[in-house]
Parts: sequence; C-alpha cells; structure tokens
Amino acid sequence: SQQGEEDPQALSIQEGENATMNCSYKTSINNLQWYRQNSGRGLVHLILIRSNEREKHSGRLRVTLDTSKKSSSLLITASRAADTASYFCATVTGANNLFFGTGTRLTVIP
Amino acid sequence: DTGVSQNPRHKITKRGQNVTFRCDPISEHNRLYWYRQTLGQGPEFLTYFQNEAQLEKSRLLSDRFSAERPKGSFSTLEIQRTEQGDSAMYLCASSAKGTDTQYFGPGTRLTVL
Repeated sequence: SQQGEEDPQALSIQEGENATMNCSYKTSINNLQWYRQNSGRGLVHLILIRSNEREKHSGRLRVTLDTSKKSSSLLITASRAADTASYFCATVTGANNLFFGTGTRLTVIP
Repeated sequence: DTGVSQNPRHKITKRGQNVTFRCDPISEHNRLYWYRQTLGQGPEFLTYFQNEAQLEKSRLLSDRFSAERPKGSFSTLEIQRTEQGDSAMYLCASSAKGTDTQYFGPGTRLTVL
C-alpha cells in the first residue's frame, strides 16, 4: 500500500500565487522526498528532508517536516505556469526504496 | 545525456505474451530500482538492486515478474504471460552509493490488449 497521502488531490492557482501541498505518512521514516512529474515525463527529484530536520529551502521551494504528526508540507512561492505538474511525496524507511503518495495535481493559470 | 535511460518507451502486447524492458542507470550508480505506476497513482516499488544483488522484492512482484542486473550495470525486467492488469508505466531509477536521491528514467509504458 502507499505510504504517503497528499492533500489536496488537485489545486488550481493563479500565476504568482503560492501553492501549499501536504503529505501524511504512516510509519517512522529516515527521510522524506518530494518529486515532480510533468505530464508524459519522468519524475524529477525536488528536495529531501531528513527525519532530524524540520525545515529546508531550495530556491522557491520550502519543505517542512513534523515527525510527531507524521506530516510534511511543500510550499512553492511565486508560482509559474511551468510549475504545473503532479507533485508526490515519498518516504524512505529502513530500506532504500521510496514509498510514494497518491500525488497532488497542481495547475498554475497564466 | 547521462541520465537514466529505458527501452523501449512504449510496448503494446497481447495478453499471454512475454515482454522484457531494459534500464541503463547513471554510470557508476550502484543502486537500481524498478517501480510501477498506474494512471492517477504514485509509483509503487517493485524491486531493488545493489550492484548485481537483488536485495528486496515487493509482494507486488508476482512469480511472472523477474528482474536481473547481471553485471551490476544495466537491468532487465521481464513479465511472463502478461495480463491486462499489467498495463502500467514501468519506471527505473538509480542512486549513487551513500546517497538517498533517486534519479528516474522516462519509463516504459506497457499496454496489454
């Protein structure tokens, strides 16, 4: 079964607005990663946050992790039309394989 | 381009036929992973290699599925006696020793008629 679950399932915003996506998971993790998938293209790694970290930034991306609530959030600031994609959180437990959530479909309207 | 490559990109087959997919990881990445993704869902882990050793297999990987990485470089995923439920995107990823970031290939889309 899927480890993570993203919320909302779909999000539509205007260009320039911020987008926030949430991820909840079920078991203890080593790290949590966010990936982007454009229509018809492969998965692209965005950012990794370890279980002992609470917040991480990369360009316009900000990720938070709350291990007590088993949840993470991804904030994309000043969104662009090119950010339109599906976003997945994925957790890594003891093994090295990723457990993906069901994804959030983000649409940024120009 | 030195990313992960997968061949073929698309495969259409009839139910009951065998199919084989190939994945070439990023050079010197010792870990290689196979995932399956169906429409509207996130990828699901299938199996994982460290060098040539297959270290983990998901319960999703039935007896009809077999994966190999004979020389610790490229990998093949074979599905025997395909079923319509096997229709999906098959994704390959690789990662370097000591890192957790996985780099994904473009995938092979399988359609079983």
